Amino acid sequence: NAGVTQTPKFQVLKTGQSMTLQCAQDMNHEYMSWYRQDPGMGLRLIHYSVGAGITDQGEVPNGYNVSRSTTEDFPLRLLSAAPSQTSVYFCASSYSQQGVYGYTFGSGTRLTVV
Amino acid sequence: SQKIEQNSEALNIQEGKTATLTCNYTNYSPAYLQWYRQDPGRGPVFLLLIRENEKEKRKERLKVTFDTTLKQSLFHITASQPADSATYLCALGDSGGGADGLTFGKGTHLIIQP
Repeated sequence: NAGVTQTPKFQVLKTGQSMTLQCAQDMNHEYMSWYRQDPGMGLRLIHYSVGAGITDQGEVPNGYNVSRSTTEDFPLRLLSAAPSQTSVYFCASSYSQQGVYGYTFGSGTRLTVV
Repeated sequence: SQKIEQNSEALNIQEGKTATLTCNYTNYSPAYLQWYRQDPGRGPVFLLLIRENEKEKRKERLKVTFDTTLKQSLFHITASQPADSATYLCALGDSGGGADGLTFGKGTHLIIQP
C-alpha cells in the first residue's frame, strides 16, 4: 500500500499565482484533512472531509479551497498565493468505522511563495 | 480558546533511561488524545491513542497516561535509544470520532544521547 501520497514535494510560487496540492490515499479511508505546519506554530487544520462530497473548514481556511469528489482524492487549492501561505502542507486520512483511529499522514508539500 | 502546551525546549535524555514528555491543555474537554512522532522532513506517524475514560495505554516501550482532572497527558519511552530521537506531537480530538480533525500541540524535540 502506498498510504497517503502528496504531490508535489516542493513548489515555488509567485504571489498571486494559483495551484493545487494533490493528495491521494489508497486505504479506503473516509476521513481526510489538510494541515499546515509553520515553525513555532505546530500543525493547524485547514479543511477536512468526512466523506465524498462533504467538506468543512478547519482553524485556518482562508485562502484555500477543497473538494472531495471521490473517496481517494482530496486536493487543496490555493486561489491566489500569498507569502503568508509559505509553509509545509500535510494531508492525512483515517478510518471512519466504529471507534477512533490514528491518522496516516503524507510526506508533505513544502511550498514557498515569493 | 483551546490551548495545548508541550515542553518547548528540547529534552535531552541519556540512552537507556526513561524519557517523559508532557502535554497540558486548557479550555478543552477532549474525548481522546493521540501521540505522534515526527522526524525531520517527514510527516507525523501515529503512535498511541488514549480515550478520556482510560487512565493508561501501553505499546511495547511506550506508555501514555491521561488525567482529565489535571488536563494532562504524559508520554513515556522506557529503555530509550538514540533512534527514539525525534519530535513528539500531542493531539486532541473531540467526540466526533476523528471526523473533524485534530488539534495539535507544537511538539517536544527529544534527543537521546548515546
